[in-house]
Amino acid sequence: DVQLLESGGGLVKPGESLRLSCAASGFTFSTYAMGWVRQAPGKGLEWVSAISGGGTKRSYADSVKGRFSISRDNSKATMYLQLNSLRAEDTAVYFCAKDRYSNPKYLESWGRGTLVTVSS
Amino acid sequence: QSALTQPRSVSGSPGQSVTISCTGTSSNVGAYNYVSWYQQSSDKAPKLIIFDVSERPSGVPGRFSGSKSGNTASLTISGLQAEDEADYYCCSSAGSFTPFVFGTGTKVSVL
Repeated sequence: DVQLLESGGGLVKPGESLRLSCAASGFTFSTYAMGWVRQAPGKGLEWVSAISGGGTKRSYADSVKGRFSISRDNSKATMYLQLNSLRAEDTAVYFCAKDRYSNPKYLESWGRGTLVTVSS
Repeated sequence: QSALTQPRSVSGSPGQSVTISCTGTSSNVGAYNYVSWYQQSSDKAPKLIIFDVSERPSGVPGRFSGSKSGNTASLTISGLQAEDEADYYCCSSAGSFTPFVFGTGTKVSVL
């Protein structure tokens, strides 16, 4: 079974940084694209970033471009999201998700999420 | 990219059919057949229930179906069941640099 376990969330102040991790198991990690999706409290889903299976193609939502950075270590079956210059509006549950294909198209398996709270 | 537009809520009695619309633009829904739908039950992770406009992943009941016409995609739940009560989100590609644009979400209530 596919398992995705996010970690690294927490409470930080505006302007600070955080690194989220997503540990994957149950599938050949390097074959599939991966993505991050967030959900602010009581709000809808917002795509944040995605990375191809090989790690060469990375994409970002306009709201995080230049502040967030996605990466993956296929040898460790782990994906990362570096969050810099955090703002209050970045407060959300961040979900890690596995794509159905090697390039981002459909997020078919999801983790339970990790909460990031940005507050002074 | 702005979020795709969905009705805030729809409701129906058990056994009835409900349809959720998802309106985008010629830059996303109208341009690509990479349309998907996700179901999110209370405090749970989203679940992929439709991809490629109308395909169902293994294990998703046949009462869920999808379609698309122009800039609007639709999800129909036929034979509504109590367990279908959840939030539903459409999603479309807007190109290789923006692979996912989510809809605003629709709450489905079973009366």
